[in-house]
Amino acid sequence: GNSVTQMEGPVTLSEEAFLTINCTYTATGYPSLFWYVQYPGEGLQLLLKATKADDKGSNKGFEATYRKETTSFHLEKGSVQVSDSAVYFCALSDQNTNAGKSTFGDGTTLTVKP
Amino acid sequence: NAGVMQNPRHLVRRRGQEARLRCSPMKGHSHVYWYRQLPEEGLKFMVYLQKENIIDESGMPKERFSAEFPKEGPSILRIQQVVRGDSAAYFCASSLTRDPNTEAFFGQGTRLTVV
Repeated sequence: GNSVTQMEGPVTLSEEAFLTINCTYTATGYPSLFWYVQYPGEGLQLLLKATKADDKGSNKGFEATYRKETTSFHLEKGSVQVSDSAVYFCALSDQNTNAGKSTFGDGTTLTVKP
Repeated sequence: NAGVMQNPRHLVRRRGQEARLRCSPMKGHSHVYWYRQLPEEGLKFMVYLQKENIIDESGMPKERFSAEFPKEGPSILRIQQVVRGDSAAYFCASSLTRDPNTEAFFGQGTRLTVV
């Protein structure tokens, strides 16, 4: 079956530091890959996505590249802000499932200190 | 254009009571998905509904849990005879189509506490 493995947290960084959150996946076929962000007490918001190999998703300074050869979709940001503090989830949906039936990683909590 | 609306945001139930969680999808969306998030864990798919039909309930516990999405009104996730282990955040998502490349939009969740 499908699975997503994320780097364990929590991750604590100082403002303006470089961020990497690792995500690897196992899936049949050619899945679409997503990063979601969950702010405290809120639901999930789609941060970025990539639908095929070598695609790069980007949004709000975050980016991730779909690497089929390493089955990875690592999230990066060059300079984090305090407002980026949240839980980040990597997810996939494969061509045999549906738009909302995604497989999620366990989430990585990011805290950015001023 | 309102997003996915879930209510209540917080729900407290005693063991043995029933919990009813409501989800109104985004306008125009007829595909609804329910997820459960246990503390310190990711989201786990429960059920996928499309107006009046359950399409995929592979993640639903076999007993006490049920879901519906009537022709009129919100989708309902019902948990009968709740137990402490049901305490979790329950999220609803909706999408315009079932295409896996289509974005699914999430509600803010209902946090159920069983005491």
